[in-house]
Amino acid sequence: IVMTQTPDSLAVSLGERATIHCRSSQTVFYNSNNKNYLAWYQQKPGQPPKVLIYWASTRASGVPDRFSGSGAGTDFTLTISSLQAEDVGVYYCQQYYSSPPRTFGQGTKVEIK
Amino acid sequence: QVQLQESGPGLVKPSETLSLTCSVSGGSISTHYWSWIRQPPGKGLEWIGYINYRGYTNYNPSLNSRVTISVDTSQNQFSLRLSSVTAADTAVYYCARVYCDGDCYPDRHFDSWGQGTLVNVSS
Repeated sequence: IVMTQTPDSLAVSLGERATIHCRSSQTVFYNSNNKNYLAWYQQKPGQPPKVLIYWASTRASGVPDRFSGSGAGTDFTLTISSLQAEDVGVYYCQQYYSSPPRTFGQGTKVEIK
Repeated sequence: QVQLQESGPGLVKPSETLSLTCSVSGGSISTHYWSWIRQPPGKGLEWIGYINYRGYTNYNPSLNSRVTISVDTSQNQFSLRLSSVTAADTAVYYCARVYCDGDCYPDRHFDSWGQGTLVNVSS
């Protein structure tokens, strides 16, 4: 499954909304448990990725509620409702529906305008 | 709180074998699935493969013929071997834990990561 993110980069003013899209080349929705096998990660420079969202819309423990995930099937969105300075980094979507292989999007770089 | 730590040589010669170990602390390796993921400098993430405590593995087809992941439950660690390396294998290598919510399955997200270790392939 190929994961494609848009845009590749975006610059947003502090306090404004940031939206990242992720499209999978085939569905990542599993009928038997009604779940979308899609996660979002944040990676800051020099650090490993950190999970923000899994099952497409479930916020991971400790993640601020300004981060939200939505979408189903093949089209997904990560929204940062009010961008903070500490949110600068690269964001990746990842599908865990099919293996091998697990696949990631190419990443979206978020900067402050 | 589980912690993962990668270790191994930072420099490997072309055509040789890259070997890394991930030590798990704060939790038993005999639960969960465990993965290796790599990231070439300035690029995105590539999943290498996973293993569980019983030694069940699954690898990325693009690397399948060169990769071996093994587990040592007595040491609470798992390892990666990548043979016949080239400059294209230069990357930060991460070990990661697959999320488990009761019954542990491999088709879940990665909920804990090591800090990563940079491996350069160069003569």
